[in-house]
Amino acid sequence: NAGVTQTPKFQVLKTGQSMTLQCAQDMNHNSMYWYRQDPGMGLRLIYYSASEGTTDKGEVPNGYNVSRLNKREFSLRLESAAPSQTSVYFCASSNARTSGSGDEQYFGPGTRLTVT
Amino acid sequence: AQSVTQPDIHITVSEGASLELRCNYSYGATPYLFWYVQSPGQGLQLLLKYFSGDTLVQGIKGFEAEFKRSQSSFNLRKPSVHWSDAAEYFCAVGARGYQKVTFGTGTKLQVIP
Repeated sequence: NAGVTQTPKFQVLKTGQSMTLQCAQDMNHNSMYWYRQDPGMGLRLIYYSASEGTTDKGEVPNGYNVSRLNKREFSLRLESAAPSQTSVYFCASSNARTSGSGDEQYFGPGTRLTVT
Repeated sequence: AQSVTQPDIHITVSEGASLELRCNYSYGATPYLFWYVQSPGQGLQLLLKYFSGDTLVQGIKGFEAEFKRSQSSFNLRKPSVHWSDAAEYFCAVGARGYQKVTFGTGTKLQVIP
């Protein structure tokens, strides 16, 4: 039981390059989330998926796209990376239901991305 | 929309001393409240959560938190800190009926021998 896994762990991109961050969970959770963590700003929600087939914008969606490939996998794509996207990215999952922002979120180990 | 404030960016305590980390939230009704801990280079782990009922909540690793509606607070406490408690702590608030939570900016705890 691996929980939430993320790949890659580290990535360096040049401005304008694209990449996809992968996330998978094996806990049969219906909700998945992408956050970015920057010093002094805590975690900010980029996108989330309440259930398979649905995605919604969070607080800072500009410059990102997501795909909920199936119940297990939720990927985050940077189409044209910018230095402002240098950050640590965390994927999380939970069993949140319609009334369920109260369910615990389980976090992956993070991807440290640097854009030069 | 809900929001959460952690007024202390850094806190330093001596090993064996007591600890209180502050968290204030803004939400019109009774929220869901959480404390998460992040060790260096790791993801976040849930320490405890409040949904309803008893306002004093016990968590893992000897932590507890008290929900005070009148003060819109959910402060985290530990009676005796261990060196392994050095980490960053995040308070979070969730609105009932929604899927997402809002995290505070975090408090970094340093423990000195």
